[in-house]
Amino acid sequence: NAGVTQTPKFQVLKTGQSMTLQCAQDMNHEYMSWYRQDPGMGLRLIHYSVGAGITDQGEVPNGYNVSRSTTEDFPLRLLSAAPSQTSVYFCASSYGPGIEKLFFGSGTQLSVL
Amino acid sequence: GENVEQHPSTLSVQEGDSAVIKCTYSDSASNYFPWYKQELGKRPQLIIDIRSNVGEKKDQRIAVTLNKTAKHFSLHITETQPEDSAVYFCAARPTGFQKLVFGTGTRLLVSP
Repeated sequence: NAGVTQTPKFQVLKTGQSMTLQCAQDMNHEYMSWYRQDPGMGLRLIHYSVGAGITDQGEVPNGYNVSRSTTEDFPLRLLSAAPSQTSVYFCASSYGPGIEKLFFGSGTQLSVL
Repeated sequence: GENVEQHPSTLSVQEGDSAVIKCTYSDSASNYFPWYKQELGKRPQLIIDIRSNVGEKKDQRIAVTLNKTAKHFSLHITETQPEDSAVYFCAARPTGFQKLVFGTGTRLLVSP
C-alpha cells in the first residue's frame, strides 16, 4: 500500500493564481482531511470529509474548496492564491469517523508570491 | 469551540533524562487525546493516544496521563534518546465533532 499520496511536493504560485493540491489514499479510509501547518501555530484543519459526497469546513476554510467524488481522492483547490496561504499542507485520512489514528501524507510546501 | 494549549514550545534535555510535555483543553466534552511526533521534514505520526475513560496509558518509554477534572493531559518520555528529537503535537477531539484540534507543538531536542 502507498498510504496517503500528495502531489505536488513543492509549488510556487503568484498572487491570484489558482491550483489544486492532490491527495489520494489506497487504504479504503472513509475519513479524509486537509491541514495547514504554519510556524508556531500547529496543524489547523481546513476541510474534512467523512465519505464520498460529504464535506465540511474546519477551522480555516476561507479561500479553499474541496470535493469528494470517490473514496480514494480528496483534492484541495485554492481559488485565488494569496501570500497568507503560504504554508505546508498535509492531507490525512482515517479508517473510521472517530479519527483515531490519522495517516498523513508527505506534505506540500506552497509559496505564494 | 475547543482550544488546546501546549507547553513548553521548546524543550532541551540530556540523553537519558525524562521529558514532559503538557496540554490543556477547554471543552470538557472532548473524549480522545492523541499525540503525534513529527521529525524534521517528515509527516506527523501517531505515537500514543488516550480516551477520556482512561487515566494513563504506557507504551515502552512513552506514557500519557489524563486529568479530566483539570482538563489537561501530558506526554512523558523516559530515558530520552537523540532519535526522540522532534516536534510533538497534542490534540483533542470534541464529542460529536469529526475533527481534531491540535496544540501548537513542542520542539524537543535531546543532546547526546
